[in-house]
Amino acid sequence: GAVVSQHPSRVICKSGTSVKIECRSLDFQATTMFWYRQFPKQSLMLMATSNEGSKATYEQGVEKDKFLINHASLTLSTLTVTSAHPEDSSFYICSAPDRRTGNEKLFFGSGTQLSVL
Amino acid sequence: EDQVTQSPEALRLQEGESSSLNCSYTVSGLRGLFWYRQDPGKGPEFLFTLYSAGEEKEKERLKATLTKKESFLHITAPKPEDSATYLCAVQAGSARQLTFGSGTQLTVLP
Repeated sequence: GAVVSQHPSRVICKSGTSVKIECRSLDFQATTMFWYRQFPKQSLMLMATSNEGSKATYEQGVEKDKFLINHASLTLSTLTVTSAHPEDSSFYICSAPDRRTGNEKLFFGSGTQLSVL
Repeated sequence: EDQVTQSPEALRLQEGESSSLNCSYTVSGLRGLFWYRQDPGKGPEFLFTLYSAGEEKEKERLKATLTKKESFLHITAPKPEDSATYLCAVQAGSARQLTFGSGTQLTVLP
């Protein structure tokens, strides 16, 4: 299946710093990237949808100025958590549909565990 | 609003002890129901997509079935390596994103 590479896998940072998470589609073009966050033993919650070359669409309750999403190319989307605070600690996962599979199957990155001290 | 409910939250089985996981859903215009496996600290791994009531799909020890209200993931003679969290998700209407259930954490004891 299609591969989505996500980095870093784990990051620990001090409160107030910014953290950038990258997701790359390795063998297909990802015109759309979905960003999810997951708290321990809870489900994946959609944060935002990014489309290559246009502004991201954020879900209700997600601060767009805090979670900056850039989708500058067909193979790279980034999520930047600005001025991170301990409550932002979570598992962040990206996913993208592969148009070759009819757009319905999502391929996920391996996730980024963010811990804010 | 689309809703997906999975049960049980956690399930412990002995190796070889078959069982089923449930995913109940309430959506408007189901386009697909997905099953994923998630290992700790990893992203979900795709297992199956089901599109219409009555459809079944199998992969090794796993079989997924779908009705108009729920889906089951049957695990036959599980092995310890089947231990993981199994996530159910739906895609509905014109949306491409998935709505996930909270998952069933399966532990298979040797």
